[in-house]
Amino acid sequence: DIQMTQSPSSLSASVGDRVIITCRASQGIGNDLGWYQQKSGGAPKRLIYAASTLQSGVPSRFSGSGSGTEFTLTISSLQPEDFATYYCLQHNSYPQTFGQGTKVEIK
Amino acid sequence: EVQLLESGGGLVQPGGSLRLSCAASGFTFSISSMNWVRQAPGKGLEWVSSISGSGGDTYYADSVKGRFTISRDNSKTTLYLQINSLRVEDTAMYYCAKGDYSDYGWYYGMDVWGQGTTVTVSS
Repeated sequence: DIQMTQSPSSLSASVGDRVIITCRASQGIGNDLGWYQQKSGGAPKRLIYAASTLQSGVPSRFSGSGSGTEFTLTISSLQPEDFATYYCLQHNSYPQTFGQGTKVEIK
Repeated sequence: EVQLLESGGGLVQPGGSLRLSCAASGFTFSISSMNWVRQAPGKGLEWVSSISGSGGDTYYADSVKGRFTISRDNSKTTLYLQINSLRVEDTAMYYCAKGDYSDYGWYYGMDVWGQGTTVTVSS
């Protein structure tokens, strides 16, 4: 099974800050990775697919990069509505596996 | 608009069974793979099972293999998850999610998710 190690597990940031979240795969997965945002009590929402393609309707302050085993999600200027938990998901092979999540909190 | 609506959750005793449903609309259901993902209270997301558009290929997490069965009825555009021999650790919100593909058939993971249905296993 492919393990996804996501870091940090939580972070505190201010509105306007640049935030970077990382996922590392235990083996190469090409660009078969997505990023999801989950707000408290809600369903996950996809932000990025194919490692770096922005989902339609998602603000351009979100971006993804990486391939192989190292991936990042960047929020260029954190907004109040971005405080949430973020997950990466590899779908290169079964079982599909999620990172442990990163909770982004208000400083 | 793509919509997924889960139902069938509830409170069940250990060892019991439930059948979850996910009613889909707004897309060509029969050509889309579908997934179940769960989230235990206060925990992260866990992929549970997937099924191909035809229903001919199914996949399961080791934690549920032999106890859960995924199926679909393309005529009713509905996805199912039969869950048997329930354990306390199966307590979770269960989401269904639609598979996404490129124009060339490359799998892009899960794009649209339902709001979930809650399964609670307790005596």
